Amino acid sequence: KQEVTQIPAALSVPEGENLVLNCSFTDSAIYNLQWFRQDPGKGLTSLLLIQSSQREQTSGRLNASLDKSSGRSTLYIAASQPGDSATYLCAVRPESGAGSYQLTFGKGTKLSVIP
Amino acid sequence: EPEVTQTPSHQVTQMGQEVILRCVPISNHLYFYWYRQILGQKVEFLVSFYNNEISEKSEIFDDQFSVERPDGSNFTLKIRSTKLEDSAMYFCASSEGGASGGPRDTQYFGPGTRLTVL
Repeated sequence: KQEVTQIPAALSVPEGENLVLNCSFTDSAIYNLQWFRQDPGKGLTSLLLIQSSQREQTSGRLNASLDKSSGRSTLYIAASQPGDSATYLCAVRPESGAGSYQLTFGKGTKLSVIP
Repeated sequence: EPEVTQTPSHQVTQMGQEVILRCVPISNHLYFYWYRQILGQKVEFLVSFYNNEISEKSEIFDDQFSVERPDGSNFTLKIRSTKLEDSAMYFCASSEGGASGGPRDTQYFGPGTRLTVL
């Protein structure tokens, strides 16, 4: 059964700092990995999706990398801003077979950017 | 930009009552999902739906749950006899469908319905 772990559980940084959030998964047979942002009491906003054949994806100040064979992904946030404060979730979709429609989520990293 | 919408935003019900949570997926999407998140826990998959039938369901999705696409725009989750442990945030999501015919694309989530069972 796929397990997704995110470290650290919480992170507090001063504004302007670059930071890295980590995601690891136990079964490397994934089709893609998706990073989400969740604001308190709100829904999930998709940030980036990386296909298993890709190494990284970029969107603005965000860069996500994927090392499928080692079961790891990182989300790099450049020049952090107070508005980046949220919980960041990663989720993986399996390659095929049973469960291939569903995302398996990590518990998230709660980021606080201090002005 | 198109988005998934959900109603109500908050539902309070008594244990044993039936509730229906409603979702309007993005209009050209073909795959629909329900997930839930118990407070402080991970987001968990409940069910996926395609071509008017369930594609997959998790162990959580037992006989008290059902889903329906009653018309061309709505997608509903019914909980027949609510329990205290059903209290959670319920998220609807949709995806467009990949070139291979499967749900190989980004899943877009709605804002959620917070269900409180008393």
